[in-house]
Amino acid sequence: GNSVTQMEGPVTLSEEAFLTINCTYTATGYPSLFWYVQYPGEGLQLLLKATKADDKGSNKGFEATYRKETTSFHLEKGSVQVSDSAVYFCALSNQNRDDKIIFGKGTRLHILP
Amino acid sequence: EPEVTQTPSHQVTQMGQEVILRCVPISNHLYFYWYRQILGQKVEFLVSFYNNEISEKSEIFDDQFSVERPDGSNFTLKIRSTKLEDSAMYFCASLWGLAGGTDTQYFGPGTRLTVL
Repeated sequence: GNSVTQMEGPVTLSEEAFLTINCTYTATGYPSLFWYVQYPGEGLQLLLKATKADDKGSNKGFEATYRKETTSFHLEKGSVQVSDSAVYFCALSNQNRDDKIIFGKGTRLHILP
Repeated sequence: EPEVTQTPSHQVTQMGQEVILRCVPISNHLYFYWYRQILGQKVEFLVSFYNNEISEKSEIFDDQFSVERPDGSNFTLKIRSTKLEDSAMYFCASLWGLAGGTDTQYFGPGTRLTVL
């Protein structure tokens, strides 16, 4: 079945460091790929998404590129801030209208000032 | 900006009691979902709902669970007899469903259920 694997956390970085959180997926067909973010004590927010191969999703300085050849959707940011501290979930869904989202286990990110 | 809302934000109940978690999806959305997240674990799909019936349900969604859209705006999740292991954050989500498969599910802020 479909699944998402992302790097284990926690990840601890200093402010202004470069961030990569790895994510790979297994899916039939051509899934849509997502990164969701969960700030402390809050719900899930969509950070970015990509719906076809080679698409790049971007938002708030974060980027991820849909790589079909490596089945990956790694999250990157050039210069992280303390406010980026959160849990990041890689996720996918098949491109049927009502299809569920399958989440990875989440990666907790700590940014030190 | 339209958003999904959920009430209550925190529900504490005794084991064996019934609970109803409420959600108001975005008004023109057609597809509705419940997910749960046990503390420190990943978010898991429970059920999807479209056209007043369940589209898909996971293994977690057993006979103790039910969903309903009692009117044009609310979407509820009922747990008939809660167990300790039902303690989790429950997220509602909705999706418009008319964008040819490139839509986005929008999540509510969640209800934290604590079963004592």
